[in-house]
Amino acid sequence: DSGVTQTPKHLITATGQRVTLRCSPRSGDLSVYWYQQSLDQGLQFLIHYYNGEERAKGNILERFSAQQFPDLHSELNLSSLELGDSALYFCASSVGGVAGGDNEQFFGPGTRLTVL
Amino acid sequence: DQQVKQNSPSLSVQEGRISILNCDYTNSMFDYFLWYKKYPAEGPTFLISISSIKDKNEDGRFTVFLNKSAKHLSLHIVPSQPGDSAVYFCAASGGNQGGKLIFGQGTELSVKP
Repeated sequence: DSGVTQTPKHLITATGQRVTLRCSPRSGDLSVYWYQQSLDQGLQFLIHYYNGEERAKGNILERFSAQQFPDLHSELNLSSLELGDSALYFCASSVGGVAGGDNEQFFGPGTRLTVL
Repeated sequence: DQQVKQNSPSLSVQEGRISILNCDYTNSMFDYFLWYKKYPAEGPTFLISISSIKDKNEDGRFTVFLNKSAKHLSLHIVPSQPGDSAVYFCAASGGNQGGKLIFGQGTELSVKP
């Protein structure tokens, strides 16, 4: 158990809909990262928040948005869903805002999104 | 543009032997490299890391080697155990990448009893 929790575990929805994925980081971690893993793909970085502020964006679609709240949990909002958005969405957390040293990222179990 | 590549999608090894997983990268600004292990239906689990100022880091049965001139790193598992069967991802960060990790496509390791 990494200490990172993600809800829900599974989500099945229809095209055009909007969903919200939730992540609670490990206690004491200030950074939250979101990654997408599509079929046969590696993990693709989406976005990074540190202590409530956006730090970096990857190839995140405009239909996707995220935020980190004062209690440090984060939500990833996916709207106007398309079939190609079906994937595993992972949240990770770390103590600091940059990689290196003891700032390894710890991953949650993921949310499997299926768009029908 | 695939900045981190794992060219072997799968590897099969006999229990007790050495497993060697390879990873290549293209961005010379990367200064921190990690290996993660992933079981089905679980998130990746951190295994071992190495800073670019080192060429080797060891943790129990796991050793990571970094060859900066070749932009290549490898993970050695000795001796391999059936419980090591999983997908292994290498990841890199640094330079202007901030805290994000750039992952390879993964190598599925199968350790046969």
